Amino acid sequence: GAVVSQHPSRVICKSGTSVKIECRSLDFQATTMFWYRQFPKQSLMLMATSNEGSKATYEQGVEKDKFLINHASLTLSTLTVTSAHPEDSSFYICSARDWGTGIEGYTFGSGTRLTVV
Amino acid sequence: QKEVEQNSGPLSVPEGAIASLNCTYSDRGSQSFFWYRQYSGKSPELIMFIYSNGDKEDGRFTAQLNKASQYVSLLIRDSQPSDSATYLCAVDSGGGADGLTFGKGTHLIIQP
Repeated sequence: GAVVSQHPSRVICKSGTSVKIECRSLDFQATTMFWYRQFPKQSLMLMATSNEGSKATYEQGVEKDKFLINHASLTLSTLTVTSAHPEDSSFYICSARDWGTGIEGYTFGSGTRLTVV
Repeated sequence: QKEVEQNSGPLSVPEGAIASLNCTYSDRGSQSFFWYRQYSGKSPELIMFIYSNGDKEDGRFTAQLNKASQYVSLLIRDSQPSDSATYLCAVDSGGGADGLTFGKGTHLIIQP
């Protein structure tokens, strides 16, 4: 089945620094990838939709200049958290849709636990 | 604003019994409905999906959809302790182009 690889799985960074998270579709091409954020005991909230070769679409309330998304190829999307602050500490999860597998084709990466100290 | 509502629980069910999880959604244009299981600290994993009214069975799991009532449910038969997790209901309203809208999840505990 479709596999999405996400790295790193955990990262601790200092306040004010930037962190890059990678999301790769390993055995399919993903023209669209989705980035979610999950705070403790909360659900997944869609942050942005990453489109290959074009600008990402951000959900209301998500700062596009803080969460930079690059989808330069059909198999790789990156999320960069710029000038991270403790309130950005969260579980970030990417997802891609393998249209070849039909309706059930949403596949999630393993997630990145970001801790900003 | 698309909303997906779930009872957060915890829902405690004896081992071997049927666990019933419920979900309602606000967008009548929603097309596909998913149930994910999420263990603590892990990414969600797909349990079931459904897009037509009625029941859909897969092993111990049955998903039920009633679009008129905007209601989705998941039944887990012969519940096992390993079924203890948070179950997330997710709705696709954009035909796959807009991502999924998730409920907050129901924490299910299967008591041995």
